[in-house]
Amino acid sequence: SQTIHQWPATLVQPVGSPLSLECTVEGTSNPNLYWYRQAAGRGLQLLFYSVGIGQISSEVPQNLSASRPQDRQFILSSKKLLLSDSGFYLCAWSVRMNTEAFFGQGTRLTVV
Amino acid sequence: AQKVTQAQTEISVVEKEDVTLDCVYETRDTTYYLFWYKQPPSGELVFLIRRNSFDEQNEISGRYSWNFQKSTSSFNFTITASQVVDSAVYFCALSEMMGTSGSRLTFGEGTQLTVNP
Repeated sequence: SQTIHQWPATLVQPVGSPLSLECTVEGTSNPNLYWYRQAAGRGLQLLFYSVGIGQISSEVPQNLSASRPQDRQFILSSKKLLLSDSGFYLCAWSVRMNTEAFFGQGTRLTVV
Repeated sequence: AQKVTQAQTEISVVEKEDVTLDCVYETRDTTYYLFWYKQPPSGELVFLIRRNSFDEQNEISGRYSWNFQKSTSSFNFTITASQVVDSAVYFCALSEMMGTSGSRLTFGEGTQLTVNP
């Protein structure tokens, strides 16, 4: 069966510090991978998606970047965090073509 | 552009009441998929159902049922005989094609359901 792992679960970082959140998927090949952010409200905002190794599409211009160094690994990064980067970050995967996405447990990031 | 609207920000009911969560969507695609997710306090999004645009048959799964009305662009979710464990934020989502290689989900803002004992 497929599983998705996302870590860390919580993170408190000072403004200006770097960020690296990692997500890995097991039990499937060539998944679509996604990073979403959920701010203080409830809406989920798609930040990045990837349909293959090295292929990253950005949805919203921001202080963050994403990379996919391996087929089932997706990394969210920042060189210098801003206060506005605080939120709940969710990684997800799906097989191609209109299937449901399955989410990791999320990382609650607080920038102080 | 695609859009999903969940007009109910918060709903509060007493246990055993039935409750319906509304979802209205906008899309120019002729083929599309709709989804419902549950987000309990732990934060993880749990997939509940997927429905494609060609299938307007209502679906029932235990206490959950879904009513897809293409004519009104709605995909409503009803919980029968609600329980305290149903308390969560519920999201409706719509798929959007990304070329030929995949799709992504556009989410509504969610409805916070609180079921009181």
